Amino acid sequence: NAGVMQNPRHLVRRRGQEARLRCSPMKGHSHVYWYRQLPEEGLKFMVYLQKENIIDESGMPKERFSAEFPKEGPSILRIQQVVRGDSAAYFCASSPPGGGSEKLFFGSGTQLSVL
Amino acid sequence: QKEVEQNSGPLSVPEGAIASLNCTYSDRGSQSFFWYRQYSGKSPELIMSIYSNGDKEDGRFTAQLNKASQYVSLLIRDSQPSDSATYLCAVTLGSDYKLSFGAGTTVTVRA
Repeated sequence: NAGVMQNPRHLVRRRGQEARLRCSPMKGHSHVYWYRQLPEEGLKFMVYLQKENIIDESGMPKERFSAEFPKEGPSILRIQQVVRGDSAAYFCASSPPGGGSEKLFFGSGTQLSVL
Repeated sequence: QKEVEQNSGPLSVPEGAIASLNCTYSDRGSQSFFWYRQYSGKSPELIMSIYSNGDKEDGRFTAQLNKASQYVSLLIRDSQPSDSATYLCAVTLGSDYKLSFGAGTTVTVRA
């Protein structure tokens, strides 16, 4: 039973390019969460999605960032026109239906580096 | 003021000793409290959850919660080299799915 799968593990982009981060939840999980970890800081909540629905995007920057979790396929976190300040580790977590914080399982993260 | 603060590390303890990790939080309304362990380059892994004041023990780990002081701690007894990792304190922030994390405390257990 594979855990939460994130890819790529490392992503390098130049300023102004787009970054696409993918997350496949654990089998049987239908809730996905994205967190961002800046250097020397704790993980920060970004967005909570269920299949085809954004439930809470209160932690997402208003511009350039978007997330989706389509009916088929992985969840995607998309960052347009990346800037150096977007360099961070992006973690995805998933939970089963009805699961709260105690049932969150995290992926190993995508380290985004913006040159 | 940060939402969740942890004692700065790194923390180095000899094998067999007790490692003590502290965490304070700012939101008095927080209801759920968690400790995660994260090995370098790996995913955060939940090791303890606590919801009411007092102590909760699970094997060599004991979590302590004091809501009046807005304080939660983790004790690791009989520390082993395999306990060397970064420990993250997390609290719920207004909902049962939105966690606020501290920056983590790195623990090194010396053999």
